[in-house]
Amino acid sequence: EDKVVQSPLSLVVHEGDTVTLNCSYEVTNFRSLLWYKQEKKAPTFLFMLTSSGIEKKSGRLSSILDKKELFSILNITATQTGDSAVYLCAVVGGTSYGKLTFGQGTILTVHP
Amino acid sequence: DVKVTQSSRYLVKRTGEKVFLECVQDMDHENMFWYRQDPGLGLRLIYFSYDVKMKEKGDIPEGYSVSREKKERFSLILESASTNQTSMYLCASSSSPSPGGYTFGSGTRLTVV
Repeated sequence: EDKVVQSPLSLVVHEGDTVTLNCSYEVTNFRSLLWYKQEKKAPTFLFMLTSSGIEKKSGRLSSILDKKELFSILNITATQTGDSAVYLCAVVGGTSYGKLTFGQGTILTVHP
Repeated sequence: DVKVTQSSRYLVKRTGEKVFLECVQDMDHENMFWYRQDPGLGLRLIYFSYDVKMKEKGDIPEGYSVSREKKERFSLILESASTNQTSMYLCASSSSPSPGGYTFGSGTRLTVV
């Protein structure tokens, strides 16, 4: 059975801090790992990672995948209150149907 | 703008009622999914469908069924709602083959009293 574990489950920081969110996985026939940000409603896509060691970057957010050690990290630098959200990690494995297995999510709270 | 639309944002139903949650996508995606989201448990897959009239059980199918009569519409059915089915329900779709590229609906928060 595919499994994704995120840590920490919750995190409280102040604006300007840098945070690192962790995601480890066990999946049959790994295809990709995805990060999402969820505020009040639908998760919004952040990154898709398929290859080890290649950093994906978007503004203050970046992510990298280690397929040997089976984990990924999501970094957020110079955090802002608007970064407060649930961050979800998910992996795609197995069939081509694109079934995602999600971790529990990390609740990030950024105080002014 | 591509969309996955869930018919209700909030629903309150009584124990024992039959409940229908509707999801429609306008992207001509082959795959559609129903998840429920609970605090501390993340999103868990209930059912998915990779083609019209085709369905597969996810990780927690008990107490649920689904229907996909048309490509754009995927319905989740609670045959007899129970209080432990109070949750946020998220629908998603993706194209096939696809390593990811989900589009999510905005969710339906169902409360069973």
